[in-house]
Amino acid sequence: EAAVTQSPRNKVAVTGGKVTLSCNQTNNHNNMYWYRQDTGHGLRLIHYSYGAGSTEKGDIPDGYKASRPSQENFSLILELATPSQTSVYFCASGDRLGVNYAEQFFGPGTRLTVL
Amino acid sequence: AQSVTQPDARVTVSEGASLQLRCKYSSSVTPYLFWYVQYPRQGLQLLLKYYSGDPVVQGVNGFEAEFSKSNSSFHLRKASVHWSDSAVYFCAGQNTGGADRLTFGKGTQLIIQP
Repeated sequence: EAAVTQSPRNKVAVTGGKVTLSCNQTNNHNNMYWYRQDTGHGLRLIHYSYGAGSTEKGDIPDGYKASRPSQENFSLILELATPSQTSVYFCASGDRLGVNYAEQFFGPGTRLTVL
Repeated sequence: AQSVTQPDARVTVSEGASLQLRCKYSSSVTPYLFWYVQYPRQGLQLLLKYYSGDPVVQGVNGFEAEFSKSNSSFHLRKASVHWSDSAVYFCAGQNTGGADRLTFGKGTQLIIQP
């Protein structure tokens, strides 16, 4: 069954530490996305990728880096974690279903707490 | 301005009653629209989608949505809700300009009363 998985599912980090969130998809989709979800904000796009080796900035990229080493894997990196980055992070994969429209499929989320 | 708006942060409905969750979109999103549902401690699951054609689209678990170009709306409906429908519902629209990006509304929490 096609799926998007994330690891870890829960993470506690210290301020100033480095955090890497990992995402793997078996959908063979070209596009992958990282979102964060906060109360009152819905989902906001951090970074996305069109394929292996590609990363693009989303709407709130500051303080985050991304890496897409392969079609299947997409990582989100917090080089210097801050308490404001405490959130739930979702990875998604997606692809074109027609000429103009696309669809996204989401992972289960990673709950990150930065102390 | 927000390009996908869900005006109701929380909606409370009695079990067995009908439901409508509202969603309005702006010109910055294409008329490719989605409703997702999020159950507690889970990721988002696609309920239904609209690309073209019949403005009323059917989804899973008895949900449907109606696209209205004149009203810039994509409201979600269900004829009779069940307690298991308690969740957060997100409306999303595909951005114009390509890149296959979605813009999400802030979500509506649905509470089902017994």
